Amino acid sequence: GAVVSQHPSRVICKSGTSVKIECRSLDFQATTMFWYRQFPKQSLMLMATSNEGSKATYEQGVEKDKFLINHASLTLSTLTVTSAHPEDSSFYICSAARGQALPYFGPGTRLTVL
Amino acid sequence: SQQGEEDPQALSIQEGENATMNCSYKTSINNLQWYRQNSGRGLVHLILIRSNEREKHSGRLRVTLDTSKKSSSLLITASRAADTASYFCATDQTGANNLFFGTGTRLTVIP
Repeated sequence: GAVVSQHPSRVICKSGTSVKIECRSLDFQATTMFWYRQFPKQSLMLMATSNEGSKATYEQGVEKDKFLINHASLTLSTLTVTSAHPEDSSFYICSAARGQALPYFGPGTRLTVL
Repeated sequence: SQQGEEDPQALSIQEGENATMNCSYKTSINNLQWYRQNSGRGLVHLILIRSNEREKHSGRLRVTLDTSKKSSSLLITASRAADTASYFCATDQTGANNLFFGTGTRLTVIP
């Protein structure tokens, strides 16, 4: 099956710094990528949908200036958590889809903000 | 919130028994999907059922969908210890792949 990777798999940063997470579709071109956040022992919450070459669509309650999403190519989307704070500590998961085919999920990135 | 709800939140059974998880959602859907997640890991897609389908099977999995009640169930038959994981339903309202996940059921299968 298709493979979606995320980098890094785990990151620890200091409060106030920015962190970039990459999501790559390794063997297909993803017209759409999705970013989710999952707090411990909770479900995944959709943060935003990004289409290649256009601005991301953010879900209600997600600050677009804090969570910057760039989908510059058909195989790469990045999520930058700006001025991270401890409450941003979470598991961030991306998924990638080609057209209306089923999405494939990445393995997730665990962010810890000290 | 468009998040669905699942029950039970946690389920513990003996190996060989069947496990049933239920999902309720709030909006009309294009399809509903079930995923599995091992602790702290990524998601594994299990099965998709479309809004015009009522039941679907895949190996030991059986999924039902009742759009009038906005509910779905996942049945795992003859459970194995390796089935221990969290299970999530996810709804796709338009077929655009932006999924809204349920609260999840934590399944423990005791060997």
